Amino acid sequence: RKEVEQDPGPFNVPEGATVAFNCTYSNSASQSFFWYRQDCRKEPKLLMSVYSSGNEDGRFTAQLNRASQYISLLIRDSKLSDSATYLCVVNSRAGNNRKLIWGLGTSLAVNP
Amino acid sequence: SQTIHQWPATLVQPVGSPLSLECTVEGTSNPNLYWYRQAAGRGLQLLFYSVGIGQISSEVPQNLSASRPQDRQFILSSKKLLLSDSGFYLCAWSVPRNRKETQYFGPGTRLLVL
Repeated sequence: RKEVEQDPGPFNVPEGATVAFNCTYSNSASQSFFWYRQDCRKEPKLLMSVYSSGNEDGRFTAQLNRASQYISLLIRDSKLSDSATYLCVVNSRAGNNRKLIWGLGTSLAVNP
Repeated sequence: SQTIHQWPATLVQPVGSPLSLECTVEGTSNPNLYWYRQAAGRGLQLLFYSVGIGQISSEVPQNLSASRPQDRQFILSSKKLLLSDSGFYLCAWSVPRNRKETQYFGPGTRLLVL
């Protein structure tokens, strides 16, 4: 099982739609969770951290389910500019080292 | 505010040639620094990370090396490039000892080895 798994998509949705992505992780000791956004041929940019109680930032809502070891991202009222790849990221402890484990990303295309 | 620079933006190199990619961070002290590679259609692979000057940890065996000669400078090198070294190289930084470990990326260098 991969450490972080995402549905690669692509998700094709019309403008104004609501779309949700899920991501599962294998390390139950993980403490930090993030969603990053990556536009084509650009660097990843932090979209939002994911907190245990869930958090919302405008049209974006992130949820964490520790029992089932998955995180989700909900995008409401999709805009054309939301078209991108969304990367799920989880921290991992290996001995004294901590590093981020990156999912392969979910591709979203918002169509007019 | 903090900024991170990488250069060059794109690079085309022949197989067997050397490589040097540079990353610098401004606006912060003693950052954690990272080199990632993203191959076409693949996820981000951590290559090296550094928690201080001269301190480098390697994540995967390969023909690449990294150095941190100054606090906010991180260099990725190779003596002889392979075709498989082609990819998108990203430098990132994070605040040391920050529990969230959020990483922020530079614009990347797109390397094509022919």
